[in-house]
Amino acid sequence: EAGVAQSPRYKIIEKRQSVAFWCNPISGHATLYWYQQILGQGPKLLIQFQNNGVVDDSQLPKDRFSAERLKGVDSTLKIQPAKLEDSAVYLCASSLPGTYSYEQYFGPGTRLTVT
Amino acid sequence: AQSVTQPDIHITVSEGASLELRCNYSYGATPYLFWYVQSPGQGLQLLLKYFSGDTLVQGIKGFEAEFKRSQSSFNLRKPSVHWSDAAEYFCAVGPPDTDKLIFGTGTRLQVFP
Repeated sequence: EAGVAQSPRYKIIEKRQSVAFWCNPISGHATLYWYQQILGQGPKLLIQFQNNGVVDDSQLPKDRFSAERLKGVDSTLKIQPAKLEDSAVYLCASSLPGTYSYEQYFGPGTRLTVT
Repeated sequence: AQSVTQPDIHITVSEGASLELRCNYSYGATPYLFWYVQSPGQGLQLLLKYFSGDTLVQGIKGFEAEFKRSQSSFNLRKPSVHWSDAAEYFCAVGPPDTDKLIFGTGTRLQVFP
């Protein structure tokens, strides 16, 4: 079974530029999560989708971050404009819905450096 | 508010030695508890989870964890560490029926031969 795919793996941008990350979840996983992991901290949930609907985006800085999940499969997370404090690893995870198994499958992440 | 504390930022052990990683949580009701491992350049992988019942939980890769309600703890243990166990370990709490996870800050494990 293929895992969660993310691209790019690394990205370096200057502050005030924009950037987008892509995630392809495991086939059949209707729930998709985006996390931000700052160096030295645990992952923090940014947004949770079920199919193409948003379940929770309470921690997403909506003035600069946006996310979409068209057709309930792939998802993109965008930052515009980026700030220095956005430097982090952005993790995508997916899970089967409704089981409350909490077994989230994580992708390898995208390491973003904002200079 | 729900929170997870991992008091040890970095632990170093010799290969073959026993291991215990500490985790304390703050949650108003019966929590769901988890341990994830993150190897360099990789995503997080679930090691084990506790929902209810037997307070000693067995996981993958020879790990186990014990839930102690009186101490609000969920410590991870392994009797004999292998060099391949070097990684970052995250404890997490999940509010029931939400599928959400709140992670601790992690403990980095280094293993010496």
